[in-house]
Amino acid sequence: AQSVTQLGSHVSVSEGALVLLRCNYSSSVPPYLFWYVQYPNQGLQLLLKYTSAATLVKGINGFEAEFKKSETSFHLTKPSAHMSDAAEYFCAVRGPTGFQKLVFGTGTRLLVSP
Amino acid sequence: EAGVTQFPSHSVIEKGQTVTLRCDPISGHDNLYWYRRVMGKEIKFLLHFVKESKQDESGMPNNRFLAERTGGTYSTLKVQPAELEDSGVYFCASSQQFGSAGNTIYFGEGSWLTVV
Repeated sequence: AQSVTQLGSHVSVSEGALVLLRCNYSSSVPPYLFWYVQYPNQGLQLLLKYTSAATLVKGINGFEAEFKKSETSFHLTKPSAHMSDAAEYFCAVRGPTGFQKLVFGTGTRLLVSP
Repeated sequence: EAGVTQFPSHSVIEKGQTVTLRCDPISGHDNLYWYRRVMGKEIKFLLHFVKESKQDESGMPNNRFLAERTGGTYSTLKVQPAELEDSGVYFCASSQQFGSAGNTIYFGEGSWLTVV
């Protein structure tokens, strides 16, 4: 079975500060890992994904995440927060075959203050 | 190109009534998924279609939920009769290539269901 744990249901940062959203996974098979974002009144949008290639993955809007197998982590970072980054972020894991479903974490709401 | 579209975007129904949610996947996508997020909880998988066949329906909560995908195009998710605990956001998603776990799964904006 696979699972994802996102530490912190809410994270608050100031505009211009580092964004760090934590995600730890559990998987008995090599995982594929994803970060999705949901802006207010919108659907889920893929930010980035790890699919066993480079461990440092760059996504849209300046976000990146690093796969660390030894720590079973896939934390999402952005060097400098922008007001438009305020949204809810979801980490998800999936197995290496196409039949396996995405398993999501509980989400982290990012609040950005001026 | 149109994304995944869902209808209705919001629905308020009384306990015991029936609601049908519709999802139109991205054109050409064989894989179609339904997920649900109940207030404050994680987004949970409901089921997965490959074309018109149910590949995995392990997440369907009970027999009040019925999903169909006739002809392998759009899909419907019917809840009958609706209960209070069915309230939440129902997401539909689709992906292109059968059997490839790395392919992006595209989500719709969700159908917000409130049962009163």
